[in-house]
Amino acid sequence: KAGVTQTPRYLIKTRGQQVTLSCSPISGHRSVSWYQQTPGQGLQFLFEYFSETQRNKGNFPGRFSGRQFSNSRSEMNVSTLELGDSALYLCASSPGGSEKLFFGSGTQLSVL
Amino acid sequence: TQLLEQSPQFLSIQEGENLTVYCNSSSVFSSLQWYRQEPGEGPVLLVTVVTGGEVKKLKRLTFQFGDARKDSSLHITAAQPGDTGLYLCAGERNFNKFYFGSGTKLNVKP
Repeated sequence: KAGVTQTPRYLIKTRGQQVTLSCSPISGHRSVSWYQQTPGQGLQFLFEYFSETQRNKGNFPGRFSGRQFSNSRSEMNVSTLELGDSALYLCASSPGGSEKLFFGSGTQLSVL
Repeated sequence: TQLLEQSPQFLSIQEGENLTVYCNSSSVFSSLQWYRQEPGEGPVLLVTVVTGGEVKKLKRLTFQFGDARKDSSLHITAAQPGDTGLYLCAGERNFNKFYFGSGTKLNVKP
C-alpha cells in the first residue's frame, strides 16, 4: 500500500503570497489531518477532515483553510503569507476512527 | 503554551545506556501515543496507550500511561544508534484531535 503523499516537498514563497499544499492519503483512509511543525512550537493541529467535512479545527487564523475531495485527497491553503508561517506542514491520514495517524513526509515551506 | 510538556528536550548518551523520557500534562487524555520522527520524514507511531496504568513493551522500549491518564513515560533499555531521533508524545482529547508535546531529541553515540 502506498503511504501518505504530500506535494510539493519544498516551497519558497514571499510575504503576502498564497500557497496551496496537497495531500493524498493512504487508499481507503477517510480522515485527513494537517499539522504545522516549527522548532519553537512543535507540532500544532490545524484541522481534520472526514468525508469532505471539517470535523475538528485548531487555533489558527482564518488565513489557514483546507478542503477535502470526494476521493479523500486534501488541500491546505494559506493566504497572505507571513514570515512566521515558515514551517514543515505535515498531513496525516487514518481510516476514520480515533486511531493511529499515518504521516506524510511533509512540505517544507519557507516564507521570505 | 504546550498542553503536553516533554522532558528532557535533548538527550545525548552512549550506546548501551538506559534512558527515560517524560510526557506530562495537567489535562486528562482519552489516549496517548508515542511517535519517533527522523530528519526529513514525518512522525511514525510507536505505540498507543489507552488505560490508566497501562504498560506496553516494544522490544527494548517500555511505555507507561499514568494512572490518572495525564502523563506518560518512555523508557529505552540499552540504547542503540538506531534509536536516534525525535520522540514525540501526543494526547487525544477530542475525537481524532491530538495535542503533541514539544519533543525529545535523542542522540545515541556509538
